[in-house]
Amino acid sequence: QKEVEQDPGPLSVPEGAIVSLNCTYSNSAFQYFMWYRQYSRKGPELLMYTYSSGNKEDGRFTAQVDKSSKYISLFIRDSQPSDSATYLCAMKPQGGATNKLIFGTGTLLAVQP
Amino acid sequence: NAGVTQTPKFRVLKTGQSMTLLCAQDMNHEYMYWYRQDPGMGLRLIHYSVGEGTTAKGEVPDGYNVSRLKKQNFLLGLESAAPSQTSVYFCASGLAGTTYEQYFGPGTRLTVT
Repeated sequence: QKEVEQDPGPLSVPEGAIVSLNCTYSNSAFQYFMWYRQYSRKGPELLMYTYSSGNKEDGRFTAQVDKSSKYISLFIRDSQPSDSATYLCAMKPQGGATNKLIFGTGTLLAVQP
Repeated sequence: NAGVTQTPKFRVLKTGQSMTLLCAQDMNHEYMYWYRQDPGMGLRLIHYSVGEGTTAKGEVPDGYNVSRLKKQNFLLGLESAAPSQTSVYFCASGLAGTTYEQYFGPGTRLTVT
């Protein structure tokens, strides 16, 4: 079983829809939870991060972490065609000297105009 | 600032040939990483470095070697390429004190025939 599981999609939604992207994990030591966005044929870039549990909002994006269920989510409100990309969740435990991240496989999102 | 750059962008190798992928960053980051990205497998860490002159194995190190002679450069070598090494290779860098953000290069698409 992988430490981080993510539905690969693809997920296709109409413009303006609310999108929900999710990851589950098995390592209870994870404390940092990140979402990276990767456009086609580009490198990933950090979109949002959350430390421990709770919600974090940034414009149209909201990240949620439920440590009791080992489940994280990214919500995109009023989705736009420019949001079409692969979304990767990533996690790491507290501390450690290397800052190594564990990535999910990514969910491909297509927002149709 | 160029950020993280990778050379070359594309390469086709025959089985048994060797090559070196170059990663350079101009952000004075201590940590650097090499990943490979394959469909359905996500980003997998090959090797990483926490400082000049130091390297360590990641999740999938077999068949690869690395060197970090200068802080800004991280080289990934394939001594005898195999078709299983056909992949997209990403380099990333990060600060020692930043526990969640890695900055990725644009990737190198390698095909081994």
